[in-house]
Amino acid sequence: AQRVTQPEKLLSVFKGAPVELKCNYSYSGSPELFWYVQYSRQRLQLLLRHISRESIKGFTADLNKGETSFHLKKPFAQEEDSAMYYCALIPTNAGKSTFGDGTTLTVKP
Amino acid sequence: EAQVTQNPRYLITVTGKKLTVTCSQNMNHEYMSWYRQDPGLGLRQIYYSMNVEVTDKGDVPEGYKVSRKEKRNFPLILESPSPNQTSLYFCASRRRGSDEQYFGPGTRLTVT
Repeated sequence: AQRVTQPEKLLSVFKGAPVELKCNYSYSGSPELFWYVQYSRQRLQLLLRHISRESIKGFTADLNKGETSFHLKKPFAQEEDSAMYYCALIPTNAGKSTFGDGTTLTVKP
Repeated sequence: EAQVTQNPRYLITVTGKKLTVTCSQNMNHEYMSWYRQDPGLGLRQIYYSMNVEVTDKGDVPEGYKVSRKEKRNFPLILESPSPNQTSLYFCASRRRGSDEQYFGPGTRLTVT
């Protein structure tokens, strides 16, 4: 069975501070992991995919197969980063998707 | 404009009164899914479809039905809604072989 765990439901940091949103997964195959973001009153949208190893809006995420983790990081948080973040396991060629419970990030001024 | 649409956006109904939430996408995507979003429980997949006439259960299918008669549409049917189905529902679609899901705006359902 595939599972995604986001241990923090709420995370609050001050503007300019580093932020790390944790994600751990359980999957028997080669994991295809993503971070989705949902800003207030907006639909979910893709933020990062593990395979691209790119930085989007200053966020990065590294897949660590040894620790089965895919933590999302940003060195200097901004107020506009305040949102709900979901880690997701979505096999490309299968219909089943598994999302974590989500972490609500609040960046205080 | 490429998009996923859902109707209605808001619905208040009573226990036992059958309802359908429609979902439509104009991107010719093969895969479509329904999710419900509940506080503290995150996003849970209800049903998914990998193509026309091909549907399968997600993690929380009880109390729901779906159909996929056309590629663009994937309606969610609640034959006899109950208060525990009060939730925010999202439809999503993606192309086969692609990893990016496109989400609809959500439907907020309240069952009294």
